Amino acid sequence: SAVISQKPSRDICQRGTSLTIQCQVDSQVTMMFWYRQQPGQSLTLIATANQGSEATYESGFVIDKFPISRPNLTFSTLTVSNMSPEDSSIYLCSAAVGDGYTFGSGTRLTVV
Amino acid sequence: ILNVEQSPQSLHVQEGDSTNFTCSFPSSNFYALHWYRWETAKSPEALFVMTLNGDEKKKGRISATLNTKEGYSYLYIKGSQPEDSATYLCAFDSGGYQKVTFGIGTKLQVIP
Repeated sequence: SAVISQKPSRDICQRGTSLTIQCQVDSQVTMMFWYRQQPGQSLTLIATANQGSEATYESGFVIDKFPISRPNLTFSTLTVSNMSPEDSSIYLCSAAVGDGYTFGSGTRLTVV
Repeated sequence: ILNVEQSPQSLHVQEGDSTNFTCSFPSSNFYALHWYRWETAKSPEALFVMTLNGDEKKKGRISATLNTKEGYSYLYIKGSQPEDSATYLCAFDSGGYQKVTFGIGTKLQVIP
């Protein structure tokens, strides 16, 4: 199964700034996903990222706030833009592999 | 909005005790039910992918059952060990790499 390296593992950021999270997969995967887990909430899908096309965003998430890149079949980035304390969450990338999903180890973001 | 519920949300058990928790999900548009084990600062680890009503799967001391008609799955841990301490997530999958909906998780703490 694929292994995903996600970085940074954690960061503390000032409000109004942006943070880019990277995920590198050790094999080519067609579909990658970005999730957010706010404190006390379940993992929520932000968007689906396919190589060569624009990401598909879920209701409540917009490209201006969470721009995503997918330049090739092994890499994707998620940027959290113009951060506010409400963006403090764990962000998790995932790839569809076989009949399941593989995940990165998450980025714990605190916005102060 | 799909409703995937897990109970209890947290659980403390003594080492050696057996335990179980529940995931309930919609009984329509079912393709698969995923169970993951998520330790802090690590990637969620796939435990089981369950697809057929009546499925029972086992991995060491951990097993799971599936009832798609009534929309629930149980995860059992026999003889809990401290290393079983983690959050156990279930995810409802309606297939075709469509949106996978996660429960909030059951946080298990095994006390030595």
